[in-house]
Amino acid sequence: DGGITQSPKYLFRKEGQNVTLSCEQNLNHDAMYWYRQDPGQGLRLIYYSQIVNDFQKGDIAEGYSVSREKKESFPLTVTSAQKNPTAFYLCASKKTGGVHGYTFGSGTRLTVV
Amino acid sequence: ILNVEQSPQSLHVQEGDSTNFTCSFPSSNFYALHWYRWETAKSPEALFVMTLNGDEKKKGRISATLNTKEGYSYLYIKGSQPEDSATYLCAFAMNRDDKIIFGKGTRLHILP
Repeated sequence: DGGITQSPKYLFRKEGQNVTLSCEQNLNHDAMYWYRQDPGQGLRLIYYSQIVNDFQKGDIAEGYSVSREKKESFPLTVTSAQKNPTAFYLCASKKTGGVHGYTFGSGTRLTVV
Repeated sequence: ILNVEQSPQSLHVQEGDSTNFTCSFPSSNFYALHWYRWETAKSPEALFVMTLNGDEKKKGRISATLNTKEGYSYLYIKGSQPEDSATYLCAFAMNRDDKIIFGKGTRLHILP
């Protein structure tokens, strides 16, 4: 069955270390997204990509970086410049060309100690 | 700053009762309105994507309406069941921009 896989489910890192969160989809979707969720807040967009080798900053891109070398993969790196990295991170994908719902992964909970 | 408001924030409903909640969004530059259901420990699941003023969509016991002129959408659940317990998210898409803005969600608890 097609879907989105995020790994790992839980991730612990020391402060000052970069960490990369994986997101892979086999839905043949062109567009992919990274969201962050904090307690009491809605999902906030970090980065998105509508096509391979191209991506745009979302509303809270500072301290994060992404790459889109393959259609199936959209990894997110949380750098040491991100002031409050502890959060729940969700990846999503969507068909382009028309109005479509998003398909979400199951998320990665990152804790920085 | 574009804002999507959902109310109430949390709701407790007796099993078998019907319920509804609201999503408010900017009425200008409307493109689409999304509803998602997010059960604990699972991924958010798309329920509806609505584009036309006056649109009504239905999926089993769940339905949604859309008023783009006044900027609101209602989600209705008829005869609530325990499996309806979840957070319901709405999200607004402006113009043909590919980004959507999420509300904070309505957390629904079904009481046995």
